Amino acid sequence: EAGVAQSPRYKIIEKRQSVAFWCNPISGHATLYWYQQILGQGPKLLIQFQNNGVVDDSQLPKDRFSAERLKGVDSTLKIQPAKLEDSAVYLCASSFPLRGGNTGELFFGEGSRLTVL
Amino acid sequence: AQKVTQAQTEISVVEKEDVTLDCVYETRDTTYYLFWYKQPPSGELVFLIRRNSFDEQNEISGRYSWNFQKSTSSFNFTITASQVVDSAVYFCALSEDFNKFYFGSGTKLNVKP
Repeated sequence: EAGVAQSPRYKIIEKRQSVAFWCNPISGHATLYWYQQILGQGPKLLIQFQNNGVVDDSQLPKDRFSAERLKGVDSTLKIQPAKLEDSAVYLCASSFPLRGGNTGELFFGEGSRLTVL
Repeated sequence: AQKVTQAQTEISVVEKEDVTLDCVYETRDTTYYLFWYKQPPSGELVFLIRRNSFDEQNEISGRYSWNFQKSTSSFNFTITASQVVDSAVYFCALSEDFNKFYFGSGTKLNVKP
């Protein structure tokens, strides 16, 4: 079974530039999460999708971050314009539907490491 | 409010030593779930275990064991006879509904040969 795919793995940009990250979850996983992991910290939820609907985006800095999950499969996270403090690893995770044998396990991708100069 | 605290930022041990990673959590719910994840240098968090709040039995899986104590709100993780491959960052996490997950700040484990 293919895991959660993310790209690009690494991205370096100047502040005020824009960047987009892509995530393809495990097939059949209805729930998709984007987490931000700053060096030395635990993952912090940015946005959660259930199919193509947003469940929680309370922690998403909406003035610069946006995310979409068209067709309820893959997802894109965009930052525009980027700030120095956005330097982090952006992790995508997916899980089974709540009523579909969900064990609570999150399946993570390898992350996209962003450096903002 | 939900919170997970991993007070140990970094631990270094020599191979074959036993090591315990601490996790303390806060929640007002009576039903909740606790998790441990391993993050190797590749970056991908890997699920290790889930524990339900209504099951306080300790669990052992090979060299790994987990001690869940509701009285102290702790869910500690012990690696017996550590190996270099155990070097990683370990995260403890809490969820009340399999929907939202609260992660601790992680403990970096260095196992030296």
